[in-house]
Amino acid sequence: KNEVEQSPQNLTAQEGEFITINCSYSVGISALHWLQQHPGGGIVSLFMLSSGKKKHGRLIATINIQEKHSSLHITASHPRDSAVYICAAAGWTSGSRLTFGEGTQLTVNP
Amino acid sequence: DVKVTQSSRYLVKRTGEKVFLECVQDMDHENMFWYRQDPGLGLRLIYFSYDVKMKEKGDIPEGYSVSREKKERFSLILESASTNQTSMYLCASSLWGQGIDTEAFFGQGTRLTVV
Repeated sequence: KNEVEQSPQNLTAQEGEFITINCSYSVGISALHWLQQHPGGGIVSLFMLSSGKKKHGRLIATINIQEKHSSLHITASHPRDSAVYICAAAGWTSGSRLTFGEGTQLTVNP
Repeated sequence: DVKVTQSSRYLVKRTGEKVFLECVQDMDHENMFWYRQDPGLGLRLIYFSYDVKMKEKGDIPEGYSVSREKKERFSLILESASTNQTSMYLCASSLWGQGIDTEAFFGQGTRLTVV
């Protein structure tokens, strides 16, 4: 069993839909990261959180430390949101080394 | 603005060749990482380095070596390239620490094909 698991692996939505991607982890963490990877390869950091909730534009990330679970929400989805979304956990004992989920391929159709 | 730069976007090499992938970061980060990314397997850590001349094996170090002679530069070396090393290679850097210091900054990736 992976230490970080994401679901779903693939997600297709229509423009305007509300989207949720889930991430569960089994290690104690100092931070949980959400990353975005567009076709072509580059990865950018969307959120880094250790508690509560963060919002940036149409993206919201939440984390429940007790349940070891985080969600990434996209409101009013748009085709330009199509990308791979990756969650990654920084464990207390691993320093800056991240453990990655397998990623969720999101496709938003117009 | 943090920048992590990988030397090549696309690379085609022959089986048995020695391959060098270079990565440079400009934010004085202590940590540097090399990952490979394959469909269905996600990002897997090959090697990382937390200081000049220091290196630690990641999850899949076999067939690879690394070099960190200067703080800003981390090189991945494929001693004798094989077709199963065809993959996307990503370099990243971060500060040393916990919490917010774990934010990683990634290069644009090198898509290596070994024929």
